Amino acid sequence: DVKVTQSSRYLVKRTGEKVFLECVQDMDHENMFWYRQDPGLGLRLIYFSYDVKMKEKGDIPEGYSVSREKKERFSLILESASTNQTSMYLCASSLGQRKPQHFGDGTRLSIL
Amino acid sequence: QKEVEQNSGPLSVPEGAIASLNCTYSDRGSQSFFWYRQYSGKSPELIMSIYSNGDKEDGRFTAQLNKASQYVSLLIRDSQPSDSATYLCAVKGTSGGSYIPTFGRGTSLIVHP
Repeated sequence: DVKVTQSSRYLVKRTGEKVFLECVQDMDHENMFWYRQDPGLGLRLIYFSYDVKMKEKGDIPEGYSVSREKKERFSLILESASTNQTSMYLCASSLGQRKPQHFGDGTRLSIL
Repeated sequence: QKEVEQNSGPLSVPEGAIASLNCTYSDRGSQSFFWYRQYSGKSPELIMSIYSNGDKEDGRFTAQLNKASQYVSLLIRDSQPSDSATYLCAVKGTSGGSYIPTFGRGTSLIVHP
């Protein structure tokens, strides 16, 4: 079974802080993704990566950056956290172009 | 703009009935189709993948794909209260950006005893 592990289930931070969300997958997947999910808005793609050191902007990249130094790890960085970044953050990975994504358990992030 | 449409629901069915969830998509070149189940406060869990026209069965779940009509459906037989969740449809195309599925907003299913 594919295992996608997110570092924290719940996280509380203050406005202006730099926040790191970590994601690790154990199935040698090339593709990794970060989404946020808010009530009524569905899943929104923040960034994705199809290879080590490669990254592409998704639909809502503003205020975020990412890092992929190793194939198994994809980090999401909130450069200066703001209250409108309070959300559920979901990491996913997939193998190749036709295969499905597998999601981690999610991180519920609150910015106070 | 690729679109995936689902009725938000809630769809309410009695225990033991068949629940039918539908999804339509706009990209005629789509080739991969997925159904996810998401419990409240949890992450999406893959339950079915389908790639070719017709039906695919897995236990109580059947996915049906009709590419000519651009819809994919999920049938849940003998529905149980534990099936109560939001079901997300996801579609992948073949052109640039095909690494990325397009998700529908989900249909909320309630199975009542």
